[in-house]
Amino acid sequence: AQSVTQLDSQVPVFEEAPVELRCNYSSSVSVYLFWYVQYPNQGLQLLLKYLSGSTLVESINGFEAEFNKSQTSFHLRKPSVHISDTAEYFCAVIHRWGNTPLVFGKGTRLSVIA
Amino acid sequence: KAGVTQTPRYLIKTRGQQVTLSCSPISGHRSVSWYQQTPGQGLQFLFEYFSETQRNKGNFPGRFSGRQFSNSRSEMNVSTLELGDSALYLCASSQAVLQETQYFGPGTRLLVL
Repeated sequence: AQSVTQLDSQVPVFEEAPVELRCNYSSSVSVYLFWYVQYPNQGLQLLLKYLSGSTLVESINGFEAEFNKSQTSFHLRKPSVHISDTAEYFCAVIHRWGNTPLVFGKGTRLSVIA
Repeated sequence: KAGVTQTPRYLIKTRGQQVTLSCSPISGHRSVSWYQQTPGQGLQFLFEYFSETQRNKGNFPGRFSGRQFSNSRSEMNVSTLELGDSALYLCASSQAVLQETQYFGPGTRLLVL
């Protein structure tokens, strides 16, 4: 069975500073990877996903993540954060084939400080 | 296209009662999944429905059940509520299979007193 580890439960960072949210997964088969963001009192919004092709994927609001198969990682980065990026971020993994559900990490709470 | 909608958004119940939550997927999406989110356990998969059939089930007791209608709308029911059932219940839809991107609704926040 696959699992996801988000290494940091909380990450405080100053506005306009860079940030990296770490995600490692374990799976014996090929996977798809996702990052979702959850703003206070809201559901999850898809931030970006890796399905195949280029290992570097980007979102429309400046986040990017790189799939590293050898290190089984899918870290999320942003070169300059804004106050509005304050939210909880979830990494998730699913098998490419078969009918198994999405598995989420425990989440990382990003707090951007003015 | 309208997103995933969930009703009600907030609910307060007492122990022993039952509750029904509703989810309307994105138009054209046929797969609906339900998740429970709590501070302690995080996001846990409850079950998934496709074409009115439960296709996947997570590790939850039988008090948690669901169904899907011919228009892909789904309901989940929790009977004999316990304090530990207090959570945010999220519904997600995808076009056909779980491997496709799942889009989430805003959730129903359930408080059991």
